[in-house]
Amino acid sequence: DADVTQTPRNRITKTGKRIMLECSQTKGHDRMYWYRQDPGLGLRLIYYSFDVKDINKGEISDGYSVSRQAQAKFSLSLESAIPNQTALYFCATSDLVRGSSYNEQFFGPGTRLTVL
Amino acid sequence: GNSVTQMEGPVTLSEEAFLTINCTYTATGYPSLFWYVQYPGEGLQLLLKATKADDKGSNKGFEATYRKETTSFHLEKGSVQVSDSAVYFCALHAYSGNTPLVFGKGTRLSVIA
Repeated sequence: DADVTQTPRNRITKTGKRIMLECSQTKGHDRMYWYRQDPGLGLRLIYYSFDVKDINKGEISDGYSVSRQAQAKFSLSLESAIPNQTALYFCATSDLVRGSSYNEQFFGPGTRLTVL
Repeated sequence: GNSVTQMEGPVTLSEEAFLTINCTYTATGYPSLFWYVQYPGEGLQLLLKATKADDKGSNKGFEATYRKETTSFHLEKGSVQVSDSAVYFCALHAYSGNTPLVFGKGTRLSVIA
């Protein structure tokens, strides 16, 4: 079984709809992240969470919200989807390695979201 | 702030050609540096890493050397294969406790037979 799973894998929705993307991990990591990927723009960080009680905005948080329901679950919501939120969304996890600068991230397979 | 700049693609090479993808960074302190690869239809996965100056990371025939004097971490492979076709991302982690990875914009590589 995959260590980082995302549901759904593909979603087509309409402008104005509320959408939730879910991420689960079995790696036991404290840290979780949401990114979006657009052609030519690479990966951009939306939100990240270093533990269940910690939520931080990333580079492009406007129009998005998150919920860290448990150590293993981190959901991304689009309260009112708009067409320019059409993108590939990735969840990632990493472990806290105290006293180290090494911080490998493990990525899920991605969710392709299309907003019409 | 911390940032990563990598060469724009797409890069198209013939099989067995030499590959270089340039990556330079700006960071305070002594960051760790990474190359991630994204194969078609998949998420990113770590390709190689280097955590201090002059370290060389290597994996699957790819290499990159952490050059502090030129703030660079260029990715190289002596002989690419069609299966190396993917998007490659350079990234850094600036050691300041609680910061996420910073990614470059990615370079798409296509290898043709």
